[in-house]
Parts: sequence; C-alpha cells; structure tokens
Amino acid sequence: EVQLLESGGGLVQPGGSLRLSCAASGFKFSDYAMNWVRQAPGKGPEWVSHIFGGGDRSYYADSVKGRFTLSRDNSNNTMFLQMNSLRAEDTAVYYCVKDAVPYNGVCDAFDVWGQGTVVTVSS
Amino acid sequence: EVVLTQSPGTLSLSPGERATLSCRGSQTVTSNYLAWYQQKPGQAPRLLIYGASSRATGIPDRFSGSGSGTDFTLTISRLEPEDSAVYYCQKYGRSATMYTFGQGTKLEIK
Repeated sequence: EVQLLESGGGLVQPGGSLRLSCAASGFKFSDYAMNWVRQAPGKGPEWVSHIFGGGDRSYYADSVKGRFTLSRDNSNNTMFLQMNSLRAEDTAVYYCVKDAVPYNGVCDAFDVWGQGTVVTVSS
Repeated sequence: EVVLTQSPGTLSLSPGERATLSCRGSQTVTSNYLAWYQQKPGQAPRLLIYGASSRATGIPDRFSGSGSGTDFTLTISRLEPEDSAVYYCQKYGRSATMYTFGQGTKLEIK
C-alpha cells in the first residue's frame, strides 16, 4: 500500500523556522516527483513546491520562493521542506503529495496524499 | 497565470439526483490537464478525475468528467449521502508552476 507520512509541524513564532519531513512507502520513490500542498483554515488547497524524482530540480510557488527549500533523500524514501522566515500567512495544514505517474514531461495530477501536518505561525 | 473559477459555490441536492459542477479557466487548459478532487471534513483531498475525463483508480463510475479548452464539468450521478464534500478542480501541466486549484464547490446531500 502506498503511504505518505508527514511530520515536523508545530507552533512557531513569526520569523522562525521549521523542517517538515515526509516518509514514503509502497512505491519506487525515486521514480516519482513529489510535492507539498498546503491548506489554510477554511481555504482551498495551494500548491507550495515540487521536486523531480532525482532531486535535481525543484519549483516553488511565488508565495514561498526564497524562504522554503525542498529536498529529498531517495536512499531513505524521504522528502524534506525547510521553511524559514515564517509568516502568519504560512499557517496551514501541509500535505505531502505524490505525482500520479513517473515523470514523462508533465508535472502530473496528485494521486496520493498524506494525512497532513499542522503548521501554526503565531506569537 | 490561469485562474480556475468553480460554480456554483454551494449545491444542495437529494439522494438519487445528479450533480453538475463547473470549472472554468481564464485561459485554455493545455492538453486537458485538468483534475478533480473530493475533500471531506478532516481529510486530505482525494483524486477523482485526471486528464479531464479519466477516472482515478477505485473511483465509482457515478463520477464522470468532461470538457475541454476552458470549460470543464464534473458530473456525479445517483447521489449518495457520502458524496457530501467540497470538490476542487486543478490544472497541471509541463511546469509545476502551472499547478492551480479552483476555489471549490461544496456539495450538500439533503
């Protein structure tokens, strides 16, 4: 069974940092691009960041560019999101999400989502 | 940047009826890279439809997607109480910066 398990969320003050982790199982991790998607309370999902299977390329939403860094360790089937200079508007549930198919030139739809980890930025 | 607008905001129907949810893009959605998700309270979204009309694994055939260009539709036939949820459309494509979600349609089953 394909599973994604996030960890690392919590309460942090504005300007602080957090590192989220996503542990993957049940599929060949290195074959798939991975993403973080967040959802603020009462709002729709917002794509945050995407990383290719080999970890050689990543993309970021404008709202987090320069503050968040996405990386992955394919030997341990794990992905990390380093979040710096956090703001109140970063408060959300953060989901680890898998692309539906191995990369074929298309950044694909999301077929598997983790249960989410809550990040709260507040003083 | 393509903006996706979903309508209606809320839809209230009875069991057995058919729901029609709309998603309209501000520009053409390339190659029909359009997905639909269902989200129930306290849960992560679940992929229903990709490529505008292909059902994801395990999704009942009561759920169908259609459309092209800028106008897309999710149809849920023979509504069941467990179909109560918020439904989101999403655009994807050849660059991850193309990922965009609509604002959602809340479906209530009376």
